[in-house]
Amino acid sequence: AQRVTQPEKLLSVFKGAPVELKCNYSYSGSPELFWYVQYSRQRLQLLLRHISRESIKGFTADLNKGETSFHLKKPFAQEEDSAMYYCALSGGATNKLIFGTGTLLAVQP
Amino acid sequence: DTAVSQTPKYLVTQMGNDKSIKCEQNLGHDTMYWYKQDSKKFLKIMFSYNNKELIINETVPNRFSPKSPDKAHLNLHINSLELGDSAVYFCASSPLGSYEQYFGPGTRLTVT
Repeated sequence: AQRVTQPEKLLSVFKGAPVELKCNYSYSGSPELFWYVQYSRQRLQLLLRHISRESIKGFTADLNKGETSFHLKKPFAQEEDSAMYYCALSGGATNKLIFGTGTLLAVQP
Repeated sequence: DTAVSQTPKYLVTQMGNDKSIKCEQNLGHDTMYWYKQDSKKFLKIMFSYNNKELIINETVPNRFSPKSPDKAHLNLHINSLELGDSAVYFCASSPLGSYEQYFGPGTRLTVT
C-alpha cells in the first residue's frame, strides 16, 4: 500500500537550533518524494523535491531508499520557518500526491 | 497574476443544501485536482481531471460531483451537505506528466 508517515504532529524548537522533520514512506516502485509547506493563512506550496537535490530556504532532504525515508533538515531554524510541513509521494500513471499527516513546526524566539 | 484561484474563500451553509466551489488556473496546466483537508489537517485527494477527463476518483461519496467545462476550470458540486463535509477544499493543477502541483488558496466549507 502507498503510505506516507510523519510521526511527529508537532515539533517545537528554539531559533538557531537544528531541525529534522521525519518522513517515511511505503511504495512498491520508484516514487517521487516532495516536501510541501503551508505557512499561516497561505496556500500549500512546494518546498523541495527529491530529484532536484537542491536546498531551499536552507532546507535539504535526502532520499534514503534503504530506510524508505525522506527527512527534512535545516541546520539553524528561523522563526519564519514556523509552518505546517507535509511530506508527499507521487508515483504511477495518475501523478496523484499522497500526503503524510503533516508536522507543525514551531520555532520559538 | 498567474495562479490557481478558488471561489468562494469561505462558505457557510446548512445541512441538506447543495453548493458549488469553483477553481480556475491560468498556468496552462493540463491536470487539475481536488483535495480535502480535514480538521486534523490531513490532506487527501478526491478527484483529478486531465484535459477535462476524469482520471482519479478516490472513493468519494456520490454527493460530490466534479465538473470540468474546459481544462482551465474544475468545479466541485456537493449535494445534500452533511456535517462531516466541513473541511478546507484545495484545488491544484500540474503540467502534463509532472508530479509538481500548484495549489489554490483553499475554500473553507462549514456545514451547520
